[in-house]
Amino acid sequence: AQSVTQLDSHVSVSEGTPVLLRCNYSSSYSPSLFWYVQHPNKGLQLLLKYTSAATLVKGINGFEAEFKKSETSFHLTKPSAHMSDAAEYFCVVSDLNDYKLSFGAGTTVTVRA
Amino acid sequence: SQTIHQWPATLVQPVGSPLSLECTVEGTSNPNLYWYRQAAGRGLQLLFYSVGIGQISSEVPQNLSASRPQDRQFILSSKKLLLSDSGFYLCAWGRPSAETQYFGPGTRLLVL
Repeated sequence: AQSVTQLDSHVSVSEGTPVLLRCNYSSSYSPSLFWYVQHPNKGLQLLLKYTSAATLVKGINGFEAEFKKSETSFHLTKPSAHMSDAAEYFCVVSDLNDYKLSFGAGTTVTVRA
Repeated sequence: SQTIHQWPATLVQPVGSPLSLECTVEGTSNPNLYWYRQAAGRGLQLLFYSVGIGQISSEVPQNLSASRPQDRQFILSSKKLLLSDSGFYLCAWGRPSAETQYFGPGTRLLVL
């Protein structure tokens, strides 16, 4: 079975500084991986996805993630945080057999002015 | 383009009352449809998914049920709500044989 572990439950950064959200995955084969963002009381928005093409994936709003098979990681980064980036972020892995998604526990990002 | 709607946006219900949450998708045909629950301080839990009209798979045994009476309509129901049913309910859709899921705006349910 596939699973993901988000290593930080909460990350606090200053506006204009880099953001790093860590995610490790467990999968018996080459997985598809996603990052979603959820602003308070809103649905989830897809930030980016990795599907065995380029290992560096660029997403919306300046986010990108790098797939590292040797480290079983899919960390999300952004060079310069904006106040609007304050939200909860979910790392997600897909089961190719039935297209079910397995969600990490989430990382809450706080951006300080 | 495709859009997904959920209603109501917010609902407050007494314990023991029935529930009906609706989700509809526009701009696509034969989507896979999903119901998730997000309890406070917890991650997303898949409740039901459907690959076609009348085809429902349940992931977690509980007092909730789902139905898909039309291709792009997915309904979450309960005959008698429990306090533990409180949470944020999210509907999602995906293309057949595709992994990416797109989420609706959610329904906040508070059972008192």
